Amino acid sequence: QSALTQPASVSGSPGQSITLSCVGTFDDVGAYNFVSWYQQNPGKAPKLLIYDVNNRPSGVSDRFSGSKSGNTASLTISGLQPEDEADYYCNSYSSSTTRVVFGGGTKLTVL
Amino acid sequence: QVQLVESGGGVVQPGGSLTLSCAASAFTFSTYGMQWVRQAPGKGLEWVSLIWNHGGNKYYADSVKGRFTVSRDNAKDTLYLQMDSLRAEDTAVYYCARAPYNSVWGDIWGQGTMVTVSS
Repeated sequence: QSALTQPASVSGSPGQSITLSCVGTFDDVGAYNFVSWYQQNPGKAPKLLIYDVNNRPSGVSDRFSGSKSGNTASLTISGLQPEDEADYYCNSYSSSTTRVVFGGGTKLTVL
Repeated sequence: QVQLVESGGGVVQPGGSLTLSCAASAFTFSTYGMQWVRQAPGKGLEWVSLIWNHGGNKYYADSVKGRFTVSRDNAKDTLYLQMDSLRAEDTAVYYCARAPYNSVWGDIWGQGTMVTVSS
């Protein structure tokens, strides 16, 4: 059981906008602006997309954006493209004894 | 270019030990925190450990606390993970990641090294 809850799978069509959710608690997502998002393709290392809720590293497409409301963080992908098909993970700082927690991941399928 | 390369993975029996290394290049290693994150076969990402840039602050997931030890040698630009009392559930690909500002996010990741705990 992951500390953060993500839907197992979502799907969308090319050109569509889609939002992935990441539900935490007041010990992690709700209390701190230290949420990050990663994209992982099969057999590859994760790639950082968003850090500190809504900051994008240099080189990451502006089609990716992050936000947070209460205990839920979100990753929005606009103008969905076939190459966006991948697994997406959220993570957050936590005040629990395990300092960093990940979500279980969401598999995005581009139809 | 900025790069992290893990090594040291392999097959080990339950109860055994293994030390992973992560060699950094093309950035000032001593100014960055570093993390270990693992991924069991077919499963999601699991955070393992974080060490601050100076090595004085170290943090561990509950699942490895007391069994794993993170360390670094800033003179050698290398991060380590000493893993003792290994269990079958420690079987995973282990990634090291750079953590700017000693943060909990990783902006550069290595390619990973596989650890298999099996008799």
